[in-house]
Amino acid sequence: GQQVMQIPQYQHVQEGEDFTTYCNSSTTLSNIQWYKQRPGGHPVFLIQLVKSGEVKKQKRLTFQFGEAKKNSSLHITATQTTDVGTYFCAGTSMDSNYQLIWGAGTKLIIKP
Amino acid sequence: DGGITQSPKYLFRKEGQNVTLSCEQNLNHDAMYWYRQDPGQGLRLIYYSQIVNDFQKGDIAEGYSVSREKKESFPLTVTSAQKNPTAFYLCATADRDSAYNEQFFGPGTRLTVL
Repeated sequence: GQQVMQIPQYQHVQEGEDFTTYCNSSTTLSNIQWYKQRPGGHPVFLIQLVKSGEVKKQKRLTFQFGEAKKNSSLHITATQTTDVGTYFCAGTSMDSNYQLIWGAGTKLIIKP
Repeated sequence: DGGITQSPKYLFRKEGQNVTLSCEQNLNHDAMYWYRQDPGQGLRLIYYSQIVNDFQKGDIAEGYSVSREKKESFPLTVTSAQKNPTAFYLCATADRDSAYNEQFFGPGTRLTVL
């Protein structure tokens, strides 16, 4: 079935360093969404990308959608302790009957 | 989020018992979803409902059942047929008329089978 692969599973960074997580789909996506889940919490919607090659920014966060609409990335510049959590991508396609297929998430850990 | 309540927050169950997880929303959203989350994994869709009195199986529906008798409510029953039910269960809603179609999540229920 359709899969969305997300890497890495974990990323340890010093506060102030950058963080990046990548998602790759086995099929072409209609759109891709990004969510953040704080430890012990529930996922919270960050953004949706729809267009091929789209780039969106939210303060220190930059989201990209690939030209082929099969991959996406989230880059955080100069991480802060408030960025700690797990970041998930989730895509929809005709193959998934337009239901979200979730990546496994990338956990951002700030080194003490 | 504030408009979605799930109860209880923690639930313990003995093997062989059915248990029902509650999900209530006051966001007036048509679509509701149940997901299961296991450590180190993404969310897996159990059931979803786009409208009252209608629901569809997700990827891992075996051992679960749902009902959608009211727009506000979408309870999930974990039956004794579910072989490994210990997990974090998340209910979500979506406004089908929204441009973003984002999902809003409740706080979740952690189910432990003893």
